[in-house]
Amino acid sequence: KQEVTQIPAALSVPEGENLVLNCSFTDSAIYNLQWFRQDPGKGLTSLLLIQSSQREQTSGRLNASLDKSSGRSTLYIAASQPGDSATYLCAVDPTGTASKLTFGTGTRLQVTL
Amino acid sequence: GAVVSQHPSWVICKSGTSVKIECRSLDFQATTMFWYRQFPKQSLMLMATSNEGSKATYEQGVEKDKFLINHASLTLSTLTVTSAHPEDSSFYICSARPGLGTGELFFGEGSRLTVL
Repeated sequence: KQEVTQIPAALSVPEGENLVLNCSFTDSAIYNLQWFRQDPGKGLTSLLLIQSSQREQTSGRLNASLDKSSGRSTLYIAASQPGDSATYLCAVDPTGTASKLTFGTGTRLQVTL
Repeated sequence: GAVVSQHPSWVICKSGTSVKIECRSLDFQATTMFWYRQFPKQSLMLMATSNEGSKATYEQGVEKDKFLINHASLTLSTLTVTSAHPEDSSFYICSARPGLGTGELFFGEGSRLTVL
């Protein structure tokens, strides 16, 4: 059974800092990995999707990397802003159909002024 | 990115009543939608996979007679919580994936159900 772990569970950083969020998974047989953010009381917003054949994806200040063989992904946020405060979730998809996604428990990020 | 709309955002109901939540893909067709449940400070738990034109596929431990799912069109899936009880109070989120895309999943805004 796939298990997805996110460390740390919570993180507080001052504005402007660069930070890294970690996601690890036990079964490396994945099709893709997706990073989401969730604001309190809201649904999930897709940030980045990395196919298993890819090593990284970038979108603005966000960069996600994937090391499938070691079961790890990182989300790098550059020059953090208070608006980045949210819970960040990673999810692994073994088939590409999204029917068997396994979510991590999330990292709750707070960026302070 | 693709847009998924979920309604209502908040609903409060009395114990024993039924509540319907709608999930719509606004700018793409989705043959498959997914319904999740999220408890406070926990991650998402897949409840069922909603298939257009056929029966939903429920995850183990999810009562199909309790959580009725209908996917009548390529852009609409509904979740009906029947005879709701306080323990059904939760945050329900739907998601959908554009037909032949990259596998990227898009989520609705979620629906907070409170059963009194």
